[in-house]
Order: sequence, then C-alpha cells, then structure tokens
Amino acid sequence: QKEVEQNSGPLSVPEGAIASLNCTYSDRGSQSFFWYRQYSGKSPELIMSIYSNGDKEDGRFTAQLNKASQYVSLLIRDSQPSDSATYLCAVNRNNDMRFGAGTRLTVKP
Amino acid sequence: NAGVMQNPRHLVRRRGQEARLRCSPMKGHSHVYWYRQLPEEGLKFMVYLQKENIIDESGMPKERFSAEFPKEGPSILRIQQVVRGDSAAYFCASSRDRYNQPQHFGDGTRLSIL
Repeated sequence: QKEVEQNSGPLSVPEGAIASLNCTYSDRGSQSFFWYRQYSGKSPELIMSIYSNGDKEDGRFTAQLNKASQYVSLLIRDSQPSDSATYLCAVNRNNDMRFGAGTRLTVKP
Repeated sequence: NAGVMQNPRHLVRRRGQEARLRCSPMKGHSHVYWYRQLPEEGLKFMVYLQKENIIDESGMPKERFSAEFPKEGPSILRIQQVVRGDSAAYFCASSRDRYNQPQHFGDGTRLSIL
C-alpha cells in the first residue's frame, strides 16, 4: 500500500464545473496536509494547507480533511482552463512529508 | 523575491562529469529538502537537511550522490560521475524551523546528461 494515494487521472471537467480531487493516506499519525498545484514543466506551488478535521475554504478552493477515514480532498469550484494542472497531495508527520503521485486535471472550455 | 532560489536552472553534463546543484532556502527557513522528478512522474524524496546536519537521506542513492547544507551558504546536491539515468528535474524545497510547516519549492534545476 502506498503511503499517499491519489487517482492519477486524467480528470476532465467542463469549465465552470466543480472538480473534486481525492487523496488517502496510510499513516494515522499524520499531522498536517497540503495540496500543491504543478503546471507542466514548472515546480509545485502550495495552494492549500489543512491541519484539523473539517473544511477549509480559500477562494474557489476548499480542502476537506477526515482523519478518521484518513482522507483529504480538494474541491475547485467554477473550474477554469487555467486550473488545468497536476495536483499533488502531501501528508506530513514531524517534517517527514510524503507526496502522492498527483492527479492530472484538465478543464475544458 | 525571498523565495527558494535554485541554480543553475539548466545544467548539461557529459557522462562521467560532476554535477553541482545549489539551493538557497527562503528567508527564515532552516530546513531544506531535495526531490527528483522524472517526466510525467511524481516527486521522489531524496534528502532532508538542516544547517550542518543531514536529517534523513533515505531517498538518496548510496553511491555518487551527496548533499550538504553548510553553516554559511547554500545547500549543495552533488552528483559524481553522472550517467544518462541521472537526467531529471531536481527540486529543492524549504520550510520553517517548526514541525508540520508546508514546504515551498524552488523553480528546479533541469539536469541533462549527454
């Protein structure tokens, strides 16, 4: 079992729709959770951090965390073509960060 | 710009040469991480350093690869006697000196081996 699992995609949604990206992790002691966006040929960019159960909203992005289910998700509302990228889930315990392989999202105009 | 600075952005080496990749963390950050990424693949952790200490090098190949983060100056990832399989993007990230802080990435060094 991988430590951090994501569907590799590609996930394709029409412009204006909600994109839902999911991630599960195996270490129950994980303490902090992050979503990164990586455009092709570029470096990962931090877009969301979440530390406690529940939802955290930032603009069009909502991160959801359920520690009991070891599940973290990212919702992107009103998806735009510029959101087309690979989204990396990262799970951290005492500065030991583990990344998922990423989900490729394509938003079609 | 107080972001993570990596140089060079692109590095071309012939087989058997040495490659040195440099990384200056963000201001106020004392933790440095190196990752490697092949095209269309995920990030692969290599090494985690604090000033003058290697904390975790479990992802680093045992031979030819080394890393340091001296008291003064940038962190260095060194690859000796490069081979074609070393061609990849190498990313450096840094974080604050507290647990569970997010990592912030530099623009990476694209290493090409001829």
